[in-house]
Amino acid sequence: GENVEQHPSTLSVQEGDSAVIKCTYSDSASNYFPWYKQELGKGPQLIIDIRSNVGEKKDQRIAVTLNKTAKHFSLHITETQPEDSAVYFCAASIGSGAGSYQLTFGKGTKLSVIP
Amino acid sequence: DTGVSQDPRHKITKRGQNVTFRCDPISEHNRLYWYRQTLGQGPEFLTYFQNEAQLEKSRLLSDRFSAERPKGSFSTLEIQRTEQGDSAMYLCASGPDTSTDTQYFGPGTRLTVL
Repeated sequence: GENVEQHPSTLSVQEGDSAVIKCTYSDSASNYFPWYKQELGKGPQLIIDIRSNVGEKKDQRIAVTLNKTAKHFSLHITETQPEDSAVYFCAASIGSGAGSYQLTFGKGTKLSVIP
Repeated sequence: DTGVSQDPRHKITKRGQNVTFRCDPISEHNRLYWYRQTLGQGPEFLTYFQNEAQLEKSRLLSDRFSAERPKGSFSTLEIQRTEQGDSAMYLCASGPDTSTDTQYFGPGTRLTVL
């Protein structure tokens, strides 16, 4: 099955700096890559996603890039703010036909933004 | 609030007891998923419903676990004869048919088995 590796496990940045989180996946059939933000005691919140027919997607301060050849994708957060502090998860799924599109998650990155 | 809701938010039980959790998906979302998340890990897939049909189950879903979605709306997850290893956050997610891979998660049910 699919395996998703995520790095780093923890990341501390100064407020206003950029943060980058990287993930690799094993199954070349994966074609959907969402990123979730999870705050303490809450469920994961979808913040951005990308599909395999797109190389980059941006939404305000958040961007995601995908390299299908290398099988890796990254989350970029610019101008970080204290409220960006949370655990971020990458995930991958293989979508086809009537499949479930179940997500395989990385182990998460705890981002701390220091004021 | 039109998001995914789960009830209860927290459950403490003794080993050997049965527990049941409920998930109400976003209105008109036909796809519903259950995941389990242990401390320091990402969510792991348990099972998937398309309307009322349970179409996929993970090997993580032992015989003690059963899930239903009788009318294609809310879903229940029951764990029989709970064990300490069942302690985890149980997350429900739903998604629309119009975007077959997008999933929106609920707040989860935190289970503690003593």
